[in-house]
Amino acid sequence: KNQVEQSPQSLIILEGKNCTLQCNYTVSPFSNLRWYKQDTGRGPVSLTIMTFSENTKSNGRYTATLDADTKQSSLHITASQLSDSASYICVVSRGYGGSQGNLIFGKGTKLSVKP
Amino acid sequence: NAGVTQTPKFQVLKTGQSMTLQCAQDMNHEYMSWYRQDPGMGLRLIHYSVGAGITDQGEVPNGYNVSRSTTEDFPLRLLSAAPSQTSVYFCASSSGFRKRNNEQFFGPGTRLTVL
Repeated sequence: KNQVEQSPQSLIILEGKNCTLQCNYTVSPFSNLRWYKQDTGRGPVSLTIMTFSENTKSNGRYTATLDADTKQSSLHITASQLSDSASYICVVSRGYGGSQGNLIFGKGTKLSVKP
Repeated sequence: NAGVTQTPKFQVLKTGQSMTLQCAQDMNHEYMSWYRQDPGMGLRLIHYSVGAGITDQGEVPNGYNVSRSTTEDFPLRLLSAAPSQTSVYFCASSSGFRKRNNEQFFGPGTRLTVL
């Protein structure tokens, strides 16, 4: 079954600290993996998109890694800020069809950054 | 560019009423989608379109209709609202899903309550 599992479900960290969010998937065949940030009350916003051949991608203080062999991805946030408080959603695109029906969504990790 | 716009932002309906959630995008994207987001469930695909005149069902299509007469607009119709349709609805658009630059852009959401 095609699934995307994210851990932890929620996380509380102090401002300035680093953290890592995990995404494990059983989607096959794999096309690409996306990380989104969703602020409370707003729509998700894309952070990174990684294809099979990419194993690291950065977007400012956000760094995503992908291990296609173990089917794992992580999102590392460096020097966290209060504005990083949000839900982070991992999405894996399956197969070769390239449509919305092939997107498998994780349930997200809710990150709270405290002062 | 306005990106993806949704109206209304909030709506309260009584059971049995019908309504249309509006979605428009000005990025000339072929792919448009409707998702619902419920606590603990993540984003679930309701209906999607890969171009004008073409629509397909997603994971949770029952109770909803869509049409795509233009590239820009993708309205979602609730035929006879039920309390189970209380949710936050997101519209999204994309130029595709296979390439690393094929971002999916989400609208700000419509918060719907059915009494």
